[in-house]
Amino acid sequence: DTAVSQTPKYLVTQMGNDKSIKCEQNLGHDTMYWYKQDSKKFLKIMFSYNNKELIINETVPNRFSPKSPDKAHLNLHINSLELGDSAVYFCASSPQGTIQETQYFGPGTRLLVL
Amino acid sequence: GENVEQHPSTLSVQEGDSAVIKCTYSDSASNYFPWYKQELGKRPQLIIDIRSNVGEKKDQRIAVTLNKTAKHFSLHITETQPEDSAVYFCAAHSYSSASKIIFGSGTRLSIRP
Repeated sequence: DTAVSQTPKYLVTQMGNDKSIKCEQNLGHDTMYWYKQDSKKFLKIMFSYNNKELIINETVPNRFSPKSPDKAHLNLHINSLELGDSAVYFCASSPQGTIQETQYFGPGTRLLVL
Repeated sequence: GENVEQHPSTLSVQEGDSAVIKCTYSDSASNYFPWYKQELGKRPQLIIDIRSNVGEKKDQRIAVTLNKTAKHFSLHITETQPEDSAVYFCAAHSYSSASKIIFGSGTRLSIRP
């Protein structure tokens, strides 16, 4: 009955590879997010989708491409992985994506690029 | 856009003592200020929040204060316990940034036994 789930939990890969991270929420929320947490623990938003539509697209290399097949899923595909992509990636969701809403985070995907 | 600064980056307190973490924000339109706690290897989770129409909110050992004039807000933890050890993030949310929450850089709180 996990509210926000992500797969895989750990991802170790070589530079130049392409990889995907999947996220699902069973809270019935309309809005989902991807955050990147670097080694210094800084949490930075990457993307936000509301009901399958892209709402927020921060200054992220176009090697990162989110896809939302339905409002319960938001996947992140990363092409041509670089060393600097190593981080923990958190998916999150909130009811409507409006202000004053709690964001519910997934468990994180720890990506290590060698 | 909004910018949130958080201090200190690390904080060590004796068990039973109080801990205070401070944040400032830049966008005067911000009106919602959540605090998230992230235990080692775990996900961030909301522990308390405050809206701009109140100056203080308390939940057991945790309290938040907000000074809208000075654009700063603080987290106060009293009677600290070992399970309070974690990274704490403040955040600000404003109409001008749509649905985007801006997080502070985090404070690593350690409770000494």
